Amino acid sequence: SAVISQKPSRDICQRGTSLTIQCQVDSQVTMMFWYRQQPGQSLTLIATANQGSEATYESGFVIDKFPISRPNLTFSTLTVSNMSPEDSSIYLCSARVQDGYTFGSGTRLTVV
Amino acid sequence: AQTVTQSQPEMSVQEAETVTLSCTYDTSESDYYLFWYKQPPSRQMILVIRQEAYKQQNATENRFSVNFQKAAKSFSLKISDSQLGDAAMYFCAYRRGGGADGLTFGKGTHLIIQP
Repeated sequence: SAVISQKPSRDICQRGTSLTIQCQVDSQVTMMFWYRQQPGQSLTLIATANQGSEATYESGFVIDKFPISRPNLTFSTLTVSNMSPEDSSIYLCSARVQDGYTFGSGTRLTVV
Repeated sequence: AQTVTQSQPEMSVQEAETVTLSCTYDTSESDYYLFWYKQPPSRQMILVIRQEAYKQQNATENRFSVNFQKAAKSFSLKISDSQLGDAAMYFCAYRRGGGADGLTFGKGTHLIIQP
C-alpha cells in the first residue's frame, strides 16, 4: 500500500500567519483528501483534491481559508491561512488506495 | 447526509480477553463501504478492517472481525485475545460507493488494555 510522508509533523505559529502542510505519496494516486482532527475529536473532511481540477470543499470549509494545491499525482499541499487559535488542530492528508485509504502521520498545529 | 455513531467513548478490557466496539450509521445509499481504523498515540491512522455493504459475509482479519448487520445499520468490531498493542483510539468510518468521496468518521472509542 502507498506510504505518505507528511511535513511538518508539528508547528507553533503566530496568529494571523499562514502555514503550508505538504504530503508526498510514494506512488501515484488519483484522489487525495485533507482532514482536520480537533483536540480529542474525530476526523472531519476538509476537502478532496484531485490532480488537474479544483479542490472540492466540504460544508464549513472555504478555499480562502484552506487553499489546496495538487500539482501532480504524488503531491498535495494544504495551507491554513490567517490563523487563529481556533485553527489549533491536527491536520491529516489521505490518499485513496486499493483496499481503502492510507494516511499521513499528521501535522499538529498550535496557534498562539 | 450520512452519519456514523460510536456510543462508547471508552472501553477497557483485560489482556487476552475479547472486546466488542459498537458502531451504527445512517445512510440512504445501498452501495457503501465501512471501515475500522486504529489511531495509536503516534497519530498514524491504521486500517484494521473493511466491509463492503454488498457482501453478506462478515470481514475477518486475524484477531479482528466485524458483525455487520445491514438492516440494523450496525457495524461492530470484535477484538479477540486482546494485546497491549491494541490500545488506541478506534474510529468507525463510512464511504459511499462510487469511490469519489472521503470518509465520514464516528467520534471514536478509546480502548484501554489492562495487563
